[in-house]
Parts: sequence; C-alpha cells; structure tokens
Amino acid sequence: DGGITQSPKYLFRKEGQNVTLSCEQNLNHDAMYWYRQDPGQGLRLIYYSQIVNDFQKGDIAEGYSVSREKKESFPLTVTSAQKNPTAFYLCASSIGLGVAEAFFGQGTRLTVV
Amino acid sequence: QKEVEQDPGPLSVPEGAIVSLNCTYSNSAFQYFMWYRQYSRKGPELLMYTYSSGNKEDGRFTAQVDKSSKYISLFIRDSQPSDSATYLCAMIPNAGGTSYGKLTFGQGTILTVHP
Repeated sequence: DGGITQSPKYLFRKEGQNVTLSCEQNLNHDAMYWYRQDPGQGLRLIYYSQIVNDFQKGDIAEGYSVSREKKESFPLTVTSAQKNPTAFYLCASSIGLGVAEAFFGQGTRLTVV
Repeated sequence: QKEVEQDPGPLSVPEGAIVSLNCTYSNSAFQYFMWYRQYSRKGPELLMYTYSSGNKEDGRFTAQVDKSSKYISLFIRDSQPSDSATYLCAMIPNAGGTSYGKLTFGQGTILTVHP
C-alpha cells in the first residue's frame, strides 16, 4: 500500500538533546513538508522540499533542521535550540509544490521531559 | 492578523443536523481551497478541494468558495457521529511569489455529532 510513514509515534526527549523524526513515503512524490500542530493553532509549516537536495524554510524553522538526500525520505531534527518542542509533528507529501492534494502521515507526538 | 481565520468552536450538533464550517482569509493570491478532516491523534485526510470560486459537492459534503468575500464554507448534510472530528481549512496561493506552494491552514474547528 502506498502512503507516508512517520516514526516513532511517540517520542520523549530530555532538555538539551537533539532528536530526529523519520518520514518516509512510497508515493513517488517530489514535494514533502513538515508541520507542527499545537492545540488551537492549526498546522504551521516548518520546512518543505520540492526536490532532492533542496529544501526551504517555512514559517517556524528556527530550532529545526532537515535533509532530503533521497526522494522517499525527509527527516526532521528538533535541536536543543528549539525552546518549546513539545508538539504533534506531521509530515506530508504531494506530487509537486502547489498541488492541492497533500497526503499526511499519522504524526509523531514529541514530549520534552 | 492571520492569513486564514477559522472559528475553533467547539461545535456540538445532534445527529442528522446540517453543519456549516467556515473560514475567512486575507491573501487574495489563494487559488486552491481545501478541507481536511482530522480524527484525534491522527494525521489530517483530504476531504475535498476546489479551485477558485464556486461550489463542489461530494456525497453529504458541499464546499463553497466566495473569492469576492474571501470566505469559504463546508456544509455537512445529515451529520453522523462518525463525522465527529477536527475540520481544517487550507489554502494554496497561485504560482509566483515567495508563498508559492505553501499550504496555509486555519486553526481547525472541533465538531461533535451526538446521537
């Protein structure tokens, strides 16, 4: 079955640590995205990538980093510079940038302990 | 001011009611208008989308876009308890500019349909 897989589903991080969230898709999509969701704030764009080896900052990129070495993979690292990392993180993909149909993974819940 | 405004609710209706969900926006460059449904602790799933102004119907769901008023709506007829979820509107601007391709979401409306 085609789709987007995010792992892990739940992640706990100690303050000061970097953690990496995985996102893999087998839909052959060029564009991939990372969003953060907080209660009452909808989804906010962290980073997006239109093609392999290229990515752009979204609206809230500070404290995050990404890489796009393979078409299928778009991992997100939450660094210790992110002051409030506890949130629900969602990865999405679409055939291309600007296409209406974006498909989402099931999310990773990150909690700082 | 946020680019996309959506009443967070919560909205509680009896089974069988007609539900109206709405979003307003400020960026006149938005051309694609989407509605996503998100169940608790799950990723959003696309319900339907429209391009520019007009109506689109899919079963019990109808999406309307009024670009002159910068206002979009989603109507759910004969609502069911299984429709209970958070509904998110989202928009994409047309080609060109620094915002091209960026999907911008509203805050989401929490809907509960009770039997």
